[in-house]
Amino acid sequence: EVQLMESGGDLVQPGGSLRLSCAASGFTFNSYAMGWVRQAPGRGLEWVASISVSGDTTYCADSVKGRFSISRDNSNNRLYLQMSSLRAEDTAVYYCAKAELFTDPFDFWGQGTMVIVSS
Amino acid sequence: EIVMTQSPAILSVSPGERATLSCRASHTVSSNLGWYQQKPGQAPRLLIYGASLRATGVPARFSGSGSGTEFTLTISILQSEDFAIYYCQQYNNWPLTFGGGTKVEIK
Repeated sequence: EVQLMESGGDLVQPGGSLRLSCAASGFTFNSYAMGWVRQAPGRGLEWVASISVSGDTTYCADSVKGRFSISRDNSNNRLYLQMSSLRAEDTAVYYCAKAELFTDPFDFWGQGTMVIVSS
Repeated sequence: EIVMTQSPAILSVSPGERATLSCRASHTVSSNLGWYQQKPGQAPRLLIYGASLRATGVPARFSGSGSGTEFTLTISILQSEDFAIYYCQQYNNWPLTFGGGTKVEIK
């Protein structure tokens, strides 16, 4: 059974940092591209970042460029999102998701982890 | 950035009826368009990819059509479990972008 389990969400002050983790199981992690998508409370979906199978190619949304970085550890089946200089508008549920190819839709999503940026 | 616009924002439909949801792209995305279903408190679920291909396990009452800039998701006979929010997403260009969603509610 495919599983994606996010962790690391927390309440953090503006300007702070946080690292989200996503543990993958039930599929060959090092054969799939991965991404992060977020959803602010009561709002729609916003793509945050994606990473290729090998991890050598990444893309980030302009709204997080220079503040967030995506990475993966294929030996431990984990995806990460390093977030810094956090702002109130980064408050959201963060989902990790897998895609067959780097430029494919996300065919499976985790249940998400909540990040709240507030003083 | 390709802007995805969904209409209507809210669609009121009775169980057993047909629902037609629209998604428009500001520039062509070819057939690189997906549809997702999201129920309250749950993660999104991929329904349609390649504009018209059903994802694994998706019932045949869900169908997608269109290419270029105009797309449609049709739910032929609405079941109680289909009342949810539906999002379209283009994956033709970076950044990946989602539409604002259509909420399908019980009439």
